[in-house]
Amino acid sequence: NAGVMQNPRHLVRRRGQEARLRCSPMKGHSHVYWYRQLPEEGLKFMVYLQKENIIDESGMPKERFSAEFPKEGPSILRIQQVVRGDSAAYFCASSPSIPVYEQYFGPGTRLTVT
Amino acid sequence: KNQVEQSPQSLIILEGKNCTLQCNYTVSPFSNLRWYKQDTGRGPVSLTIMTFSENTKSNGRYTATLDADTKQSSLHITASQLSDSASYICVVTYTNAGKSTFGDGTTLTVKP
Repeated sequence: NAGVMQNPRHLVRRRGQEARLRCSPMKGHSHVYWYRQLPEEGLKFMVYLQKENIIDESGMPKERFSAEFPKEGPSILRIQQVVRGDSAAYFCASSPSIPVYEQYFGPGTRLTVT
Repeated sequence: KNQVEQSPQSLIILEGKNCTLQCNYTVSPFSNLRWYKQDTGRGPVSLTIMTFSENTKSNGRYTATLDADTKQSSLHITASQLSDSASYICVVTYTNAGKSTFGDGTTLTVKP
């Protein structure tokens, strides 16, 4: 059973471009969480999704950021018109059920905005 | 405001020594508390998870304790190894849906 998969592992974008980050949860997991980790800082919650639904997006910036978890395929975190401050590691985690006793993390995508 | 504070921020110990990391939280209502190990450039990996009724949980050389009354947890590492060098993150979950607050982590460096 493969773990949480994220791709790409590294992504370089110029200011103003779009970044698309993908997350495939563990098999059988229907809950996905996205976190952002700025350099030298802790992980910060961004959004929680179930299949086709956004459950909690209280940590998501109001503009330029969006997330989806379609019925088929990976979850996507999309950042439009990236700025230098978006440079960070973005981690995805998945869990199998509610109540959530465990979240399994992917290896992260490191976004660099030049 | 839900907060998780970890101490110390960083710690250097010699290989073979023991150490204890602290986590204080103000998260409410409490669902569970997890300790993760995050190696540089990698995703966090779960070490222990404790619910309200548990006050200790071990995973090899890692032992976590929880005092729900004082809202404190500790992670004790025995006989440290060079591979223990990492960031250790305390995470407190406060809803059944997994909404969590993360501490900023303790960076542990084990030197030979």
